[in-house]
Amino acid sequence: DIQMTQSPSSLSAFVGDRVTITCRASQSISSDLNWYQQKPGKAPKLLIYAASTLQSGVASRFSGSRSGTDFTLTISSLQPEDFGTYYCQQSYSIPLTFGGGTKVEIK
Amino acid sequence: EVQVVESGGGLVQPGGSLRLSCAASEFTFSDHYMVWVRQAPGKGLEWVARTRNKANSYITEYAASVKGRFTISRDDSRKSLYLQMNDLKTEDTAIYFCARDLYGRAIFDYWGQGTLVTVSS
Repeated sequence: DIQMTQSPSSLSAFVGDRVTITCRASQSISSDLNWYQQKPGKAPKLLIYAASTLQSGVASRFSGSRSGTDFTLTISSLQPEDFGTYYCQQSYSIPLTFGGGTKVEIK
Repeated sequence: EVQVVESGGGLVQPGGSLRLSCAASEFTFSDHYMVWVRQAPGKGLEWVARTRNKANSYITEYAASVKGRFTISRDDSRKSLYLQMNDLKTEDTAIYFCARDLYGRAIFDYWGQGTLVTVSS
């Protein structure tokens, strides 16, 4: 199984800050990496797929990139509504696996 | 607006069974792969099962933790997805989400609100 390791597990930042979340795959997954945002008590929401493609309707301050087996989700200017937990997920092979999540809090 | 709505959760004893349903609307259900993903209380997301579409022979795939106990199925005429869960264990306690698979690439673009399954004596 492909292990997905996210870091950090939590962070706290100010509105307007640039925030970066990293996800590392245990083996090559090409660009088959997706990012989701989940707010408390809600379903996850797709933000980015195929490592860097912004899902329709998602704010342009979100972006994704890849360097080998390392993937990054960047929020260019953190907004109050961006609180929640962010998960990466590999779509390269079965079993599909998620990272452990990064909880983002607003200072 | 695309929607998926889960139902069928509840309290069940260890060793018991439960069947979850997911009703889809406002998209061509038969074209899409569909998945179940679960989330134990206070924990992260775990993929459970996926069913492909008719064009791909309705092939089903499972996480090792549920293989042999859970069965995913679909009824395209009813635009519905199901998860039959047998021999339930306390560790199966979770919110179960139904989600649409975009392009059959294991990208989950629409999710339901989830249904809670509690396995306890």
